[in-house]
Amino acid sequence: QVQLQESGPGLVKSSQTLSLTCIVSGGSISSGGHYWSWIRQHPGKGLEWIGYIFYSGSTYYNPSLKSRVTISVDTSKNQFSLTLGSVTAADTAVYYCARTLSSIAARPHFNYWGQGTQVTVSS
Amino acid sequence: QSVLTQPPSASGTPGQRVTISCSGSSSNVGNNYVYWYQQLPGTAPKVLIYRYYQRPSGVPDRFSGSKSGTSASLAISGLRSEDEGDYYCAAWDDGLSGVLFGGGTRLTVL
Repeated sequence: QVQLQESGPGLVKSSQTLSLTCIVSGGSISSGGHYWSWIRQHPGKGLEWIGYIFYSGSTYYNPSLKSRVTISVDTSKNQFSLTLGSVTAADTAVYYCARTLSSIAARPHFNYWGQGTQVTVSS
Repeated sequence: QSVLTQPPSASGTPGQRVTISCSGSSSNVGNNYVYWYQQLPGTAPKVLIYRYYQRPSGVPDRFSGSKSGTSASLAISGLRSEDEGDYYCAAWDDGLSGVLFGGGTRLTVL
């Protein structure tokens, strides 16, 4: 059974960089066959896709966040990470990591999710 | 504002049938598969429908999906109290080269 677990600071200061890691267990990122994704949810709001990474390092990003986002993968540690620069209060959200069912980017079938981690941006 | 448009709310009584719509365009719903997610209070989303109408194992056949042109729909029949939660459609957008989620529909079982 694949499990994903987000980790990282729950509080980040405005204008600084948010960094989160998703630790994957029960399956290997390097086996391919899936995209690994970050998705966030603002308080009381809907879901916002942040981006995807494939085990090879190939990425897709939400155009509205692309200038501030980097998603990277460390296959040796079986984990992938999110960095979001120049954060503001608008980046306060629950951040989820998730895995797609297939290796086709155009099929956002997220069949495994982490439990989500709350990140608050403070001034 | 989401490019995939859903009604913000829907409601029904136990046993009723409810439909939630997801309106998009030719660059997303019209040309790519639609997925539906259920998010119950305090939990991560879970996929209910994939590739327009298919159900993962374990999802009751009370949930069904359809697509017509640039719109998709999720129908829930035999409504139950445990169906209360938020429902999101999702699709790839060719123009953005990214994933879009609908704004979500909050389902209330009266």
